[in-house]
Amino acid sequence: QVQLQESGPGLVKPSQTLSLTCTVSGGSISSDNYYWSWIRQHPEKGLEWIGYIYYSGSTYYNPSLKSRVTISVDTSKNQFSLELSSVTAADTAVYYCASAPSIVGATGAFDIWGQGTMVTVSS
Amino acid sequence: DIVMTQSPDSLAVSLGERATINCKSSQSVLYSSNNKNYLAWYQQKPGQPPKLLIYWASTRESGVPDRFSGSGSGTDFTLSISSLQAEDVALYYCQQYYSTPMYTFGQGTKLEIK
Repeated sequence: QVQLQESGPGLVKPSQTLSLTCTVSGGSISSDNYYWSWIRQHPEKGLEWIGYIYYSGSTYYNPSLKSRVTISVDTSKNQFSLELSSVTAADTAVYYCASAPSIVGATGAFDIWGQGTMVTVSS
Repeated sequence: DIVMTQSPDSLAVSLGERATINCKSSQSVLYSSNNKNYLAWYQQKPGQPPKLLIYWASTRESGVPDRFSGSGSGTDFTLSISSLQAEDVALYYCQQYYSTPMYTFGQGTKLEIK
């Protein structure tokens, strides 16, 4: 059973870069069966998909965040990471990593989620 | 982007009664080539991540109680809980994965006990 666990600083200063890592256990991040995503949830608000990476390294980002987002994969550590640059208070949120199964020409729903990590942007 | 709109925003239902949550997409999420609706439902309890309940609009995820059911096609979908239990108090979200990779979620519906 694949499990995901986020890690990273809980406090980031404005204008700096938010960096989070998701560790995959119980399965291989190199599997072609999954797409690996980051999703965030602002306090008392809904869910916003940030972007995903495939085992091959191909990525896709939400256009609203694309200029500031980088998602990368480290297959040796079975991890994938999120970097969000030039953060402001509006980036304060719970950040989740999640996976969706690969299906022909698309993906399925997000069937595995990490527990989430709260990131606050404040000086 | 496909906009997902849920109704109502909040709902109070008596224990043992039926709860119904609606979700409307701004365009069809039905793929004609496989006749599947790319629509999922999630449950989120306080302090927890969302949990997948339903995918393909009507397929229950493994382990999800059969009191949860999903229906609908095209642009209009419904999540029903046939007999509300105390542990069903949560936020519920719909999500489309038709326009992969640009996934979008509904705004959420808060379900409480009356």
